Amino acid sequence: EPEVTQTPSHQVTQMGQEVILRCVPISNHLYFYWYRQILGQKVEFLVSFYNNEISEKSEIFDDQFSVERPDGSNFTLKIRSTKLEDSAMYFCASTTGRNTDTQYFGPGTRLTVL
Amino acid sequence: DAKTTQPPSMDCAEGRAANLPCNHSTISGNEYVYWYRQIHSQGPQYIIHGLKNNETNEMASLIITEDRKSSTLILPHATLRDTAVYYCIVRATGGSSNTGKLIFGQGTTLQVKP
Repeated sequence: EPEVTQTPSHQVTQMGQEVILRCVPISNHLYFYWYRQILGQKVEFLVSFYNNEISEKSEIFDDQFSVERPDGSNFTLKIRSTKLEDSAMYFCASTTGRNTDTQYFGPGTRLTVL
Repeated sequence: DAKTTQPPSMDCAEGRAANLPCNHSTISGNEYVYWYRQIHSQGPQYIIHGLKNNETNEMASLIITEDRKSSTLILPHATLRDTAVYYCIVRATGGSSNTGKLIFGQGTTLQVKP
């Protein structure tokens, strides 16, 4: 069964460093999402992406964040200058459609900022 | 904010049915009810969704009241592996501005006990 994959599973970085989190969505999916979950808190929407552009972003998704689909298969989240409060699980999700289709999530990347 | 209300926690005996309630009294006619679960810190896993009819799949059944203001997720024979946080999410369909993002609440922590 096709699934969303994410790499790395765990990323440790120093404050101020740039990180890139990678996702490979399910192959025929067209809509892509990033969510994050700070330890002990709820899952929060970050950004949605369709047709090579951001379709919606939350307040969390400030100028330090960017997303890209560089090669038609990968979907990346970049944090330019990490802060301690960026430490969280980051989940990628994808769906064929936008409104009615089920979103499938990857296993997540645990980002630890020291 | 999430448009659903769920009890924060529930227990269930292994082998028995787990019935997880959800209130969504402000649900609109074009909104689906989705259920996801999250085992430990893994990515949210899709369970089932419905609009107004009851639904069943290999994982669970979804019972939606006639007025659609509440629903119940039923795991017919809970196992220890069903211990997780269960999220009830209402999700709009249609509309050009709707990007399909999911808004998670705190969910219900289901503890299945031997």
